Amino acid sequence: ETGVTQTPRHLVMGMTNKKSLKCEQHLGHNAMYWYKQSAKKPLELMFVYNFKEQTENNSVPSRFSPECPNSSHLFLHLHTLQPEDSALYLCASSQRWTRTSNYFVDTQYFGPGTRLTVL
Amino acid sequence: SQQGEEDPQALSIQEGENATMNCSYKTSINNLQWYRQNSGRGLVHLILIRSNEREKHSGRLRVTLDTSKKSSSLLITASRAADTASYFCATDSMEYGNKLVFGAGTILRVKS
Repeated sequence: ETGVTQTPRHLVMGMTNKKSLKCEQHLGHNAMYWYKQSAKKPLELMFVYNFKEQTENNSVPSRFSPECPNSSHLFLHLHTLQPEDSALYLCASSQRWTRTSNYFVDTQYFGPGTRLTVL
Repeated sequence: SQQGEEDPQALSIQEGENATMNCSYKTSINNLQWYRQNSGRGLVHLILIRSNEREKHSGRLRVTLDTSKKSSSLLITASRAADTASYFCATDSMEYGNKLVFGAGTILRVKS
């Protein structure tokens, strides 16, 4: 148990559906992340939120829409997805996120992921 | 190719043997971390080594870092079946905006 929970754990949706993924961290962290993990590919960073503000959008298509209402909760709203969007979506949190330090340390704590299948 | 690359892609050993995985990267880094992922689950942080450190230990794990060769190794001693998982290195560097960049991972299978 890492202190980061994700729901649902599995999701099957059609290309015309709208669904949302939820992430909650109980660690008192200030930064939260969405990653996409596809088979045989490295983990892809999608979004970063720091103190509820989006600081990174890694050229993610607009059919993925993140929302961070507070430092403990992170959502990923999905609409009109494509079959190639099927993947494991991982949420993570860390104490802080900063660009300023040369000795920036970012140990991340991951949730169990949501296995998404787009039909 | 990417910032972090693990080698080998897959490794199969007998319980009790040692497992060594390597990670190479391209740019100078601030820190390097190793994570573990059981099948279909989230990643779990194992160990972090700073750029000014050469070796760190944690239980049965030993990590080395050679910044001149831009490489790191993860050694798991006296492996157990429960060590079966994917192992990823992740680096943070100024060149990549201090974001964590993960490699593709090494799949370790420990046979009992």
